This record gives sequence, C-alpha cells and structure tokens, in this order.
Amino acid sequence: NAGVTQTPKFQVLKTGQSMTLQCAQDMNHEYMSWYRQDPGMGLRLIHYSVGAGITDQGEVPNGYNVSRSTTEDFPLRLLSAAPSQTSVYFCASSMDRGYGYTFGSGTRLTVV
Amino acid sequence: GQQLNQSPQSMFIQEGEDVSMNCTSSSIFNTWLWYKQDPGEGPVLLIALYKAGELTSNGRLTAQFGITRKDSFLNISASIPSDVGIYFCAGQLTSGYALNFGKGTSLLVTP
Repeated sequence: NAGVTQTPKFQVLKTGQSMTLQCAQDMNHEYMSWYRQDPGMGLRLIHYSVGAGITDQGEVPNGYNVSRSTTEDFPLRLLSAAPSQTSVYFCASSMDRGYGYTFGSGTRLTVV
Repeated sequence: GQQLNQSPQSMFIQEGEDVSMNCTSSSIFNTWLWYKQDPGEGPVLLIALYKAGELTSNGRLTAQFGITRKDSFLNISASIPSDVGIYFCAGQLTSGYALNFGKGTSLLVTP
C-alpha cells in the first residue's frame, strides 16, 4: 500500500547514544518533513526537505540531523541522545506545499 | 512557529450529539487543514481548505476557512463512537513551508 513508512516503531536509547530514524515514501512526493509530538505541545517541525539534496531547519532542529539523497528516503539522525528527546516522531510527505500531508505511524523513542 | 489556539481542549459528549471546535491565530494563513489522530497512529487528513470563506464537507464533517484567514472551524454532526480521537488544526503561512499545529481537541463519545 502506498504511504509513509517509519522504522522502528519503538526504540529505547541510553543518553549519549546515536541512532537513525528511517522514513520512506512511495508516492513520489517532493516535500518531506519530521515532526515531534509531546504531550500538550501538539506537533512541532524539526527539519524538512523540498526535494532531494535540499533540507532546512524547522522550529526545533537542535540535536537532530537530516539528509535527503533520494526522493523516497528522509532519515532523521539523533547525534547524541538526551532525555529531552524522548518523544513520538512523525515523518510526513506532500506532493507540494499547501497540500495535505500524509503522515507515517510514528516512532516512539525513549531516552534513559 | 506561529501560535495556533485550538479550543476546546477536550470534549465529552453522547453519541448523536453535534460537535464544534475551532482554531484561531494571530497570523494570516494561506491553507487550513484538519487532522484526526487515533491512539498509536499518525494524524490522518480530514479536510483541507484553501480559500477564505470556503466551506467544505467530508461526510458528517464540515470545516470552514474563516473570512479573516486567521481562523477555522470544524463541525461533526451526529457523532458516533468511532469519532473518538484527537483533532488537530494546522495552518500554513502564505510564505514558508512549515505546518503550524494547534495543540489538539480530545473528543470522547459515549454510546
């Protein structure tokens, strides 16, 4: 089925560890983004990309890194995990700005 | 990001009742979107609005893009138990890429 696929669904990290959250879409969407969702905070934009090779920072980029080498994939890297990064992470894609975004099912990350 | 004020924060209603929720901003938006999120899942797009004054329906759901472009409303008619979830509004500025989300309205429906 077409859509946005995120892996893993759950992850526990120790403080200081690094990891990559994977995101892939098969809808040939140019726009992709990463959000984090915290209780009472809604969804906040971390990084986004408007096409392969083009990325930019969102509202809360510190501690995260992204790259986009293909249209399909947009991985999110945590460089040195901190407890403040405990959250649910969502990847989303869209065919163009202003159109509705399709979200993945999320990665629930706990940093201890 | 731009602050979106979404209200009410939560609603507890009986099956069959109508529901109204709204979202306001101090900024003018070019696009308003309404999403629903079920537990353990990502948000799912319900309705997208692109023009001031636009009124759009999706089954029992109706949403409007406010005339001032600073607000939007979502109504659910004749609620059913599967309407339970968190409803988010999201707006996009004329310039820029980011979607700005409200903090959500949690809806509970009792049979």
